[in-house]
Amino acid sequence: AQSVTQPDIHITVSEGASLELRCNYSYGATPYLFWYVQSPGQGLQLLLKYFSGDTLVQGIKGFEAEFKRSQSSFNLRKPSVHWSDAAEYFCAVGSTSGTYKYIFGTGTRLKVLA
Amino acid sequence: GAGVSQSPRYKVAKRGQDVALRCDPISGHVSLFWYQQALGQGPEFLTYFQNEAQLDKSGLPSDRFFAERPEGSVSTLKIQRTQQEDSAVYLCASSSGRSSYEQYFGPGTRLTVT
Repeated sequence: AQSVTQPDIHITVSEGASLELRCNYSYGATPYLFWYVQSPGQGLQLLLKYFSGDTLVQGIKGFEAEFKRSQSSFNLRKPSVHWSDAAEYFCAVGSTSGTYKYIFGTGTRLKVLA
Repeated sequence: GAGVSQSPRYKVAKRGQDVALRCDPISGHVSLFWYQQALGQGPEFLTYFQNEAQLDKSGLPSDRFFAERPEGSVSTLKIQRTQQEDSAVYLCASSSGRSSYEQYFGPGTRLTVT
C-alpha cells in the first residue's frame, strides 16, 4: 500500500536560516508527489508538485523539492526562511489506483524564531 | 468561482444529531474530493466524484457518512447520528479533470461533536 512518512513532527528554525523538511514515500512505480502548506484556519495551498522529468522542482514562495528515487524521498527546501513561513507542511502522494486521491503524511509544524 | 468554498466554516453538533456540510468547487471542475483531517493528523481521503458520479467511497468510515453531488457541481457531505469521533476538519478539494492530480482545497469545515 502507498504511504507517506514525515519523520519530523515539529521543526524550529531561526528567521533567515535554511530549511529542509523530510518526506519519504512508499510506492511501487513513479509517484506523483506534492507539498502543501496549511496556515491556521486555512485550507491547503499547493507549494509544488512532481510528476516526471527534472527531479528538482521549483515552487511558490521560494520553495524547492528534490525527488530522489533511490531514497524514496521528496524533501522540501528553502534557502532562507521568513517568519511568514510558520505553518504546517504536508507531503502527499497521488494515488494511481484510478481515483486520483491523495495520501498525506502526518505533517511537519514549522516554527520560525525572530 | 475564485476558489473552493465550504460552508459552514464551523459546526457544533450534539452527539446523535445529523449534519450537512456543503462544498462549492471551482467552476468547471469535474472532480471533487472530500477529506477528513483529525486534530494533529494529515487529511485522509473519504470519497471522490467525477461530475455527478461517485467513483470511490472507500474512505467513508461508516454507513453514517453519505456524500452526494447531484448536478455535478455542489456537493454535500452528510453525517448521520454524529459521534464524538466524527470531530474533525472536513476538507473539500476540486480539480479540473485534465490533470486530476492537482487538487485545490477549500478552507474546510471544523465539526465539533459534543
